[in-house]
Amino acid sequence: GAGVSQSPSNKVTEKGKDVELRCDPISGHTALYWYRQSLGQGLEFLIYFQGNSAPDKSGLPSDRFSAERTGGSVSTLTIQRTQQEDSAVYLCASSFNGLPYNEQFFGPGTRLTVL
Amino acid sequence: SQQGEEDPQALSIQEGENATMNCSYKTSINNLQWYRQNSGRGLVHLILIRSNEREKHSGRLRVTLDTSKKSSSLLITASRAADTASYFCATDESNYQLIWGAGTKLIIKP
Repeated sequence: GAGVSQSPSNKVTEKGKDVELRCDPISGHTALYWYRQSLGQGLEFLIYFQGNSAPDKSGLPSDRFSAERTGGSVSTLTIQRTQQEDSAVYLCASSFNGLPYNEQFFGPGTRLTVL
Repeated sequence: SQQGEEDPQALSIQEGENATMNCSYKTSINNLQWYRQNSGRGLVHLILIRSNEREKHSGRLRVTLDTSKKSSSLLITASRAADTASYFCATDESNYQLIWGAGTKLIIKP
């Protein structure tokens, strides 16, 4: 079966532009996570969805970041007025039901470069 | 916030040798997971150990957990070139969120 997919794989944008990143989780997985990973660093939690609801948005770095999930499936992470410090790899993961003992399945990530 | 901290930050060994990396965490946990990240396969789950378990095996992997010391170790035996990757521990801090360490970068020299 298909794994988690993300698009685009690479995105280069100019400072101040908006970008939209997409995640397509594994079919049937109710939980979806967004993380950010800077070069050589660990994963920084951004937001978690259970179905279409986001119980915890506290990881979003600023109000320029937003995310939504529709139909309990595809999610988009939007970054408005991008800044150079937003440059990172954005990873999406899904799991069966969101409980922490469940394995998270990761997509290949979107590498965002803000010039 | 960063819960798990891996040690060492980087490790370089000869193929065939064993590799040991450690993870320390700060608060009480229910589970601890180890993941591997390499350029070819991305981030992949390796093994989960529950707080009431002390040791777990999966193939060439052995994970230990010492809740009194709030630490875990990952041992890879008979290392192979394909084991070259970054290894992360992740602990559960809430009902759903995993907190990740910065990782250990493992290089296997042929």
